[in-house]
Amino acid sequence: SQTIHQWPATLVQPVGSPLSLECTVEGTSNPNLYWYRQAAGRGLQLLFYSVGIGQISSEVPQNLSASRPQDRQFILSSKKLLLSDSGFYLCAWGGGQGNQPQHFGDGTRLSIL
Amino acid sequence: GEDVEQSLFLSVREGDSSVINCTYTDSSSTYLYWYKQEPGAGLQLLTYIFSNMDMKQDQRLTVLLNKKDKHLSLRIADTQTGDSAIYFCAESYSGNTPLVFGKGTRLSVIA
Repeated sequence: SQTIHQWPATLVQPVGSPLSLECTVEGTSNPNLYWYRQAAGRGLQLLFYSVGIGQISSEVPQNLSASRPQDRQFILSSKKLLLSDSGFYLCAWGGGQGNQPQHFGDGTRLSIL
Repeated sequence: GEDVEQSLFLSVREGDSSVINCTYTDSSSTYLYWYKQEPGAGLQLLTYIFSNMDMKQDQRLTVLLNKKDKHLSLRIADTQTGDSAIYFCAESYSGNTPLVFGKGTRLSVIA
């Protein structure tokens, strides 16, 4: 069966520090991978999605970036965090073998001080 | 652009049925989903329906789709306290495209 791992679960970072959140998927190949952010108002905002290695689509201009160095690995990064980057970050996968609907990781709660 | 609307709150008594409603604007939506989010957790896929279906039932969950009115509903029979969570409606054009989410309906179950 397929599983998705996302870490860390919680993170507290100072303003201006760098960020690296990692997400990996097991049990499938060539999945579509997604990063979403959920702010305090509960809505989910799509940040990035990827249909293959090295292919990244950005939905919202911001100081975040994403990379997909391997088929089942998706990384969310920032060089300098802003206060407004606080939120709950969710990784998801879909498609792949069997054209699966999107399944989400457990999320990373990021607090910027 | 695409939009998905849900009411923000719903309160029901334990044992009653809950009905959570959702409307969407994109008539080309092919896949419609319901996700559940418990406090501090990620989103759990509950069920999904293709646009060529009217209804899908899975144990206590029943999804109804009115494609003409672009209206989707999730009925939870015999609602339990463990059903208290935020429920998100979402749509996508295909199984490989990003989802557009509603803002979520917070379901509170009163014992």
